[in-house]
Amino acid sequence: SAVISQKPSRDICQRGTSLTIQCQVDSQVTMMFWYRQQPGQSLTLIATANQGSEATYESGFVIDKFPISRPNLTFSTLTVSNMSPEDSSIYLCSVNLQGTSGSNEQFFGPGTRLTVL
Amino acid sequence: GENVEQHPSTLSVQEGDSAVIKCTYSDSASNYFPWYKQELGKRPQLIIDIRSNVGEKKDQRIAVTLNKTAKHFSLHITETQPEDSAVYFCAASKRGGYQKVTFGTGTKLQVIP
Repeated sequence: SAVISQKPSRDICQRGTSLTIQCQVDSQVTMMFWYRQQPGQSLTLIATANQGSEATYESGFVIDKFPISRPNLTFSTLTVSNMSPEDSSIYLCSVNLQGTSGSNEQFFGPGTRLTVL
Repeated sequence: GENVEQHPSTLSVQEGDSAVIKCTYSDSASNYFPWYKQELGKRPQLIIDIRSNVGEKKDQRIAVTLNKTAKHFSLHITETQPEDSAVYFCAASKRGGYQKVTFGTGTKLQVIP
């Protein structure tokens, strides 16, 4: 399994400001994924972050709004820029690693609960 | 891209009864189908998964079935217990899960004691 941590765990921010969320993994991984989970909703993939290359964004998400860094194989950041109340969500990072069954599994960080006023 | 539909959105069962959640996917290239359980305020946790080379997999009270032809897969929970109450998500991925995972809309399961 994997130990994944995120900072901050929660934050309350003012409209128009930006917040950077950090994700740290205790293993080296090729891909890291960033998801958004709006209240009472499912998980929606924002982007896939590969070390050494630009992140790949899903439809509806753009780099200017959600810039991502991936400086090494164990760390990534997601910035939520120029926030509005509609950005209030839980943001989760995720990685694929070998699980206890010996097969590949996707593990999630604990999430960052963001509230934008 | 992949589209995963999930039904029902809510499900209430009496303790000890069975619960079934059904999902369909659109991309025939998907070959990995995990199921996640998310308790309130917590991260999603993998509970079981199935790959396209098998039609059924069982782990104690939980089983998954996969019909590749019809592009649907189901989660079966038998002898439900109150601690099974949570939101369950199905998902689909290509390349055995080494690529991005697309989630279904979720099913809120309530097990009534």
